[in-house]
Amino acid sequence: ILNVEQSPQSLHVQEGDSTNFTCSFPSSNFYALHWYRWETAKSPEALFVMTLNGDEKKKGRISATLNTKEGYSYLYIKGSQPEDSATYLCAPGDANAGNMLTFGGGTRLMVKP
Amino acid sequence: DAGITQSPRHKVTETGTPVTLRCHQTENHRYMYWYRQDPGHGLRLIHYSYGVKDTDKGEVSDGYSVSRSKTEDFLLTLESATSSQTSVYFCAISERGGTALDTQYFGPGTRLTVL
Repeated sequence: ILNVEQSPQSLHVQEGDSTNFTCSFPSSNFYALHWYRWETAKSPEALFVMTLNGDEKKKGRISATLNTKEGYSYLYIKGSQPEDSATYLCAPGDANAGNMLTFGGGTRLMVKP
Repeated sequence: DAGITQSPRHKVTETGTPVTLRCHQTENHRYMYWYRQDPGHGLRLIHYSYGVKDTDKGEVSDGYSVSRSKTEDFLLTLESATSSQTSVYFCAISERGGTALDTQYFGPGTRLTVL
């Protein structure tokens, strides 16, 4: 079981603000990192899977970067919209743990119109 | 959306009673997982299956058992429910499994309350 930390736990921003949050994980035996978006009363939805140091992925206004050497990933949202309000989960996978992912506690984003 | 259903969607039960939750998939994916959602912990893995009759424990398996007699169905059983098992339970599936590269797709969740 990996020690996965996400910060901040929650974030309130105004519509149009850009924001970012962090996922920290053990750098040793890193294999892959997943980001999920989880809206209230729905199920988690996959955003990105990242594997290589320096990887950068983008989907619309959401992008993510990965630093496997120091064990962190950033998720950025440019020009936040109310529909971006959700909890964002990261889930790293360890090379020795097969298919098992360890989910962080999430960052809850609330975007005010 | 991945074809994953969970039943029941809501259940209230009493301490000490057995409870079975069902996950059904129409994707023919090999791997299936059961997670529970707890405040501050995100999702924690209870058990997973890598094929018919092949299962393994996750992070929080105590008090839970699973069975998979068909590719499409993965059952989670609480032998004697306790209040600490009040939670939202999510089923997930992944196509290949084997490594952490595989994306997991989640079902709609089952809200279980143990009184």
